[in-house]
Amino acid sequence: EAQVTQNPRYLITVTGKKLTVTCSQNMNHEYMSWYRQDPGLGLRQIYYSMNVEVTDKGDVPEGYKVSRKEKRNFPLILESPSPNQTSLYFCASSLRGSPPETQYFGPGTRLLVL
Amino acid sequence: AQSVTQLDSQVPVFEEAPVELRCNYSSSVSVYLFWYVQYPNQGLQLLLKYLSGSTLVESINGFEAEFNKSQTSFHLRKPSVHISDTAEYFCAVSDDDYKLSFGAGTTVTVRA
Repeated sequence: EAQVTQNPRYLITVTGKKLTVTCSQNMNHEYMSWYRQDPGLGLRQIYYSMNVEVTDKGDVPEGYKVSRKEKRNFPLILESPSPNQTSLYFCASSLRGSPPETQYFGPGTRLLVL
Repeated sequence: AQSVTQLDSQVPVFEEAPVELRCNYSSSVSVYLFWYVQYPNQGLQLLLKYLSGSTLVESINGFEAEFNKSQTSFHLRKPSVHISDTAEYFCAVSDDDYKLSFGAGTTVTVRA
């Protein structure tokens, strides 16, 4: 089944404790992206990647890191989480094309930073 | 950068009644428009999209949206809603750089 998977789905942590949220897709998509969803703000892009070893900042990159060593994986790293990073996080992927291809979203990771 | 305004944050509606969700975007030379739906405790799914051609686009479950370039709008409509349409709906816009800019979302609650 074609899908985007994220782990963990739920995470409670404390301020300053490094964490990684994994994202994997099995559709051979070049483009991958991370979003955070906050009430009243919709989804905002954190980082994106156009292909392996190519990453770039989105609208709200502060406090996050990413890497793209393999085509299928795009982990999101919070080196020193803070309470303002409490949010719902989504990973998405798509083929590259013009016009833009449909983005497929993972099920989400709900993060609480105490 | 594109910006998207969804004019209603919450829309309560009775079952079998029509619904319209309004979406306006900042103008651009070329723009691609999307509606995504998020059912409770799930990720986002594409509902429909406008890329080019006919300004009226339809989904398989009865929704339709019309691209209006002069009014920079992409409103979503359904003539008769079901309980199962209860969800949050997001309008999104993209130009050629793959970046999706989302609106704040509209929560549709369908009541019997």
